[in-house]
Amino acid sequence: DSGVTQTPKHLITATGQRVTLRCSPRSGDLSVYWYQQSLDQGLQFLIHYYNGEERAKGNILERFSAQQFPDLHSELNLSSLELGDSALYFCASSLSWGRATEAFFGQGTRLTVV
Amino acid sequence: ELKVEQNPLFLSMQEGKNYTIYCNYSTTSDRLYWYRQDPGKSLESLFVLLSNGAVKQEGRLMASLDTKARLSTLHITAAVHDLSATYFCAVDGGSARQLTFGSGTQLTVLP
Repeated sequence: DSGVTQTPKHLITATGQRVTLRCSPRSGDLSVYWYQQSLDQGLQFLIHYYNGEERAKGNILERFSAQQFPDLHSELNLSSLELGDSALYFCASSLSWGRATEAFFGQGTRLTVV
Repeated sequence: ELKVEQNPLFLSMQEGKNYTIYCNYSTTSDRLYWYRQDPGKSLESLFVLLSNGAVKQEGRLMASLDTKARLSTLHITAAVHDLSATYFCAVDGGSARQLTFGSGTQLTVLP
């Protein structure tokens, strides 16, 4: 158990809908990263938050957004869902930002868009 | 843009045999990670390699890093079925030290 908690574990929804994925980082970790794993794109970095502020964006669609709350948990919001958004979404947390510290991954949320 | 290439992408090997997975990356980085992923599961950290010449071993797996060649290897010794999984290398970089992953090597160890 990495100490990173993601909910829900599985999510099935229809095209056009909106969903929210939740991540609770390890105790004491200030950084949260979101990654998407799909068959065609592999593992891709989406976005990073540190202590409540967005710090970096990767290949994140405009239909997707995220935030990190004062208690440091993070949510990834996916809207106007398309079939191609079906993927495994991971969050990872690490202690800091800017210095290389190891990131620990949650169990992931498997999103299926039908 | 940082690129990470792994090969082979698929590897079937007999139990008891040795093999090496290669990971090349395109720009300077001071950390390289190896992860294992079982189907539908999370990423399990295997090794963190911090410097040129670093070598780490755990059981039948040994990882090394050559930062000058921008190359890491994951060597499997006397493979057993339990090692069947997908192995990813990842390099950190960018403003947030986010990870850039290779495509993964799907390893199947046959009896």
